[in-house]
Amino acid sequence: ETGVTQTPRHLVMGMTNKKSLKCEQHLGHNAMYWYKQSAKKPLELMFVYSLEERVENNSVPSRFSPECPNSSHLFLHLHTLQPEDSALYLCASSQDAHRGAYEQYFGPGTRLTVT
Amino acid sequence: TQLLEQSPQFLSIQEGENLTVYCNSSSVFSSLQWYRQEPGEGPVLLVTVVTGGEVKKLKRLTFQFGDARKDSSLHITAAQPGDTGLYLCAGDPSNTGKLIFGQGTTLQVKP
Repeated sequence: ETGVTQTPRHLVMGMTNKKSLKCEQHLGHNAMYWYKQSAKKPLELMFVYSLEERVENNSVPSRFSPECPNSSHLFLHLHTLQPEDSALYLCASSQDAHRGAYEQYFGPGTRLTVT
Repeated sequence: TQLLEQSPQFLSIQEGENLTVYCNSSSVFSSLQWYRQEPGEGPVLLVTVVTGGEVKKLKRLTFQFGDARKDSSLHITAAQPGDTGLYLCAGDPSNTGKLIFGQGTTLQVKP
């Protein structure tokens, strides 16, 4: 495996379900990110982890709960979501969380539909 | 308030035509990045521009960073169907490592 992988690629869940999104990076990077991409809106940064420590929570509702057990893996735990949370959730990694000029490598995303 | 404004939002052209996409801001950026995202995939970095007035070329793609480092443009010469995708500009206005993105330009190149 190379690059950044995400599973599942597609997810349909009801508002009362609990599910998790998984991201894995094989690039030896120190920083990992969750983004939300909705139709007609810019990519929104949700969370930033640097060396497994959360360094940014961009005012994300508590129904989204991130977890970073090590520098290669990142999870996004979902519970009691709303239909407006339906979007493409993208994971990314970069060499350093504190330098915006570093390239971010994105995974293919999880297309989430909340019914 | 959208910090990075891209224009146009949508562009549909014939193969062989030229086009320019713009990314504008009232803020100064130490660098700006351009990404391309194809359907079903995540964005992929095309280029990072770091010096005011800088011009970078990537085959048929030419990227320019404004002298005041508040804007950037992407020019594609002789567009091909393989250029179809969503083009995103991104920058870190506070130099804290947190990228903000423009809303994107969707390009469709018809054969």
